[in-house]
Amino acid sequence: ETGVTQSPTHLIKTRGQQVTLRCSSQSGHNTVSWYQQALGQGPQFIFQYYREEENGRGNFPPRFSGLQFPNYSSELNVNALELDDSALYLCASSLPGRPNNEQFFGPGTRLTVL
Amino acid sequence: AQSVTQLDSQVPVFEEAPVELRCNYSSSVSVYLFWYVQYPNQGLQLLLKYLSGSTLVKGINGFEAEFNKSQTSFHLRKPSVHISDTAEYFCAVIRADNYGQNFVFGPGTRLSVLP
Repeated sequence: ETGVTQSPTHLIKTRGQQVTLRCSSQSGHNTVSWYQQALGQGPQFIFQYYREEENGRGNFPPRFSGLQFPNYSSELNVNALELDDSALYLCASSLPGRPNNEQFFGPGTRLTVL
Repeated sequence: AQSVTQLDSQVPVFEEAPVELRCNYSSSVSVYLFWYVQYPNQGLQLLLKYLSGSTLVKGINGFEAEFNKSQTSFHLRKPSVHISDTAEYFCAVIRADNYGQNFVFGPGTRLSVLP
């Protein structure tokens, strides 16, 4: 059983640019959640995808968007980057319909916005 | 809405000493409770979770936590820490019903184990 993988590991962008982060879910898991972890803080929920549809969203603006593909991999897109978007972005996969189940987290992508 | 408070942002402790990391939560509905650990430059690893049943939960690496509903707490303990336990620890909750889809995390406690 493969784990959750994320790419790239690190990324540097400048203000106003757009970025795409990628996540490959653990085998058999068709729900993917994205979290933003700013330095010194706990992860904050961005949104969740289930069967290629957004299935819940946290308090993030529309410039944060996502996609989920038929193979359950997922992308997080952020437009018009701001300095405060600098953070570790974590992807987590889980079994469908069981929110109490263990979510398996990937290693994260560290985004730096200059 | 749910919220999680971790009262100590940093906890230094000597090797082989006991440690307790505190977590309190607020929620108008029933929640499940979790502790995650994050080692430097890594993602989150589940230490333990409370869903129901016995309020004393044992996890990996010798950690345990006790759920106290009246005090809305879920403190993490280890009787004897090792250097390798140095990491960031996050307490988290999730709604215990069909509307619970995402974790709400606390701000984290940095545990530093000193030789």
